[in-house]
Amino acid sequence: ETGVTQSPTHLIKTRGQQVTLRCSSQSGHNTVSWYQQALGQGPQFIFQYYREEENGRGNFPPRFSGLQFPNYSSELNVNALELDDSALYLCASSFRLAGGREETQYFGPGTRLLVL
Amino acid sequence: RKEVEQDPGPFNVPEGATVAFNCTYSNSASQSFFWYRQDCRKEPKLLMSVYSSGNEDGRFTAQLNRASQYISLLIRDSKLSDSATYLCVVGGYQKVTFGIGTKLQVIP
Repeated sequence: ETGVTQSPTHLIKTRGQQVTLRCSSQSGHNTVSWYQQALGQGPQFIFQYYREEENGRGNFPPRFSGLQFPNYSSELNVNALELDDSALYLCASSFRLAGGREETQYFGPGTRLLVL
Repeated sequence: RKEVEQDPGPFNVPEGATVAFNCTYSNSASQSFFWYRQDCRKEPKLLMSVYSSGNEDGRFTAQLNRASQYISLLIRDSKLSDSATYLCVVGGYQKVTFGIGTKLQVIP
């Protein structure tokens, strides 16, 4: 196991609601990345947090936001949910040296979100 | 053009066969390359990193060709347990991009 945990495992929401997903990174890691994986697609990069700051963002609207805490755990918040937000949301933790390259990402089991 | 392109397959191969997957990437400044394996309804798991010098792990060999901007994965002596989706991953500055994945089905 990677030591990366996510909660909840499954979630059902209705359109227009807001959701918060949580991720605990692997011990020793300082970077968390979030991905959205729709059925039959590869994971799509949402954003990355390094030392509590956003460190890169994919093509997702501002209603997708995040936080990283001093213990390097992280939250993904999605406002005004849309039907197309239904997907598996994956977080991955890694270690990045200051000014250096990011090492391998290790994934949590994901949160399955269904928007009705 | 997609940033990372893979043939989604499926590749149906008999047990014991050798199978190869390729993946192309568009950003020449990309810094890191990986193959991940994803089983149905599970999270991606790292299979191996990919280096210019090539690397081998048992039945799996990965190669990187920076000049042509592609990476490859070779699986020898396929096992039933190799059936999965293989994701090509390319890392750049502040961004990691996954391919759509190539589905492999090993048939008895």
